[in-house]
Amino acid sequence: GESVGLHLPTLSVQEGDNSIINCAYSNSASDYFIWYKQESGKGPQFIIDIRSNMDKRQGQRVTVLLNKTVKHLSLQIAATQPGDSAVYFCAGLNTGNQFYFGTGTSLTVIP
Amino acid sequence: EAQVTQNPRYLITVTGKKLTVTCSQNMNHEYMSWYRQDPGLGLRQIYYSMNVEVTDKGDVPEGYKVSRKEKRNFPLILESPSPNQTSLYFCASSLRPWETQYFGPGTRLLVL
Repeated sequence: GESVGLHLPTLSVQEGDNSIINCAYSNSASDYFIWYKQESGKGPQFIIDIRSNMDKRQGQRVTVLLNKTVKHLSLQIAATQPGDSAVYFCAGLNTGNQFYFGTGTSLTVIP
Repeated sequence: EAQVTQNPRYLITVTGKKLTVTCSQNMNHEYMSWYRQDPGLGLRQIYYSMNVEVTDKGDVPEGYKVSRKEKRNFPLILESPSPNQTSLYFCASSLRPWETQYFGPGTRLLVL
């Protein structure tokens, strides 16, 4: 079946460093991908998205890279701050309008 | 304020006792979804709806029902809850599937 997975369950970075969170997907027909942030006790919050006709998209301090050849997605957070500590999920939308989520990477920012 | 609301936020029930979790959005969104979140498994889509009267099964629909009689509401129904449905449930909505999806605050369900 279709799947979206994250490479590392946990990631620790120093405050001010850049963070990179990776994700792999299995369905080459997926044409829309999203990164979510989930803080403890809250619902997922949209960070950034990318369509399959793009390979890079930038937001405020965040960049998403899409490599369709190896079916890989990454989220880069620049100058990581303590408020960035959370669980990050990638998700893909298949052609049937169904979403598949990764299991999440827990990011801890060390002051 | 644009938001997705869910009720109740917390629920403890017993096996077999029918329950409904309500979901409402005030953004005139067409696409709505229900997810469950379990440790180590991430978010899994239960059902989704492209518009009024249009619903489709997600990855884990067994034991759940939904309805979409109005655009703003998308209730999740557990006709006969079982302990394996103990989970954290999220409702979400977006204008289209490929647009920003907004999540509700979650409903934590415990089935004894």
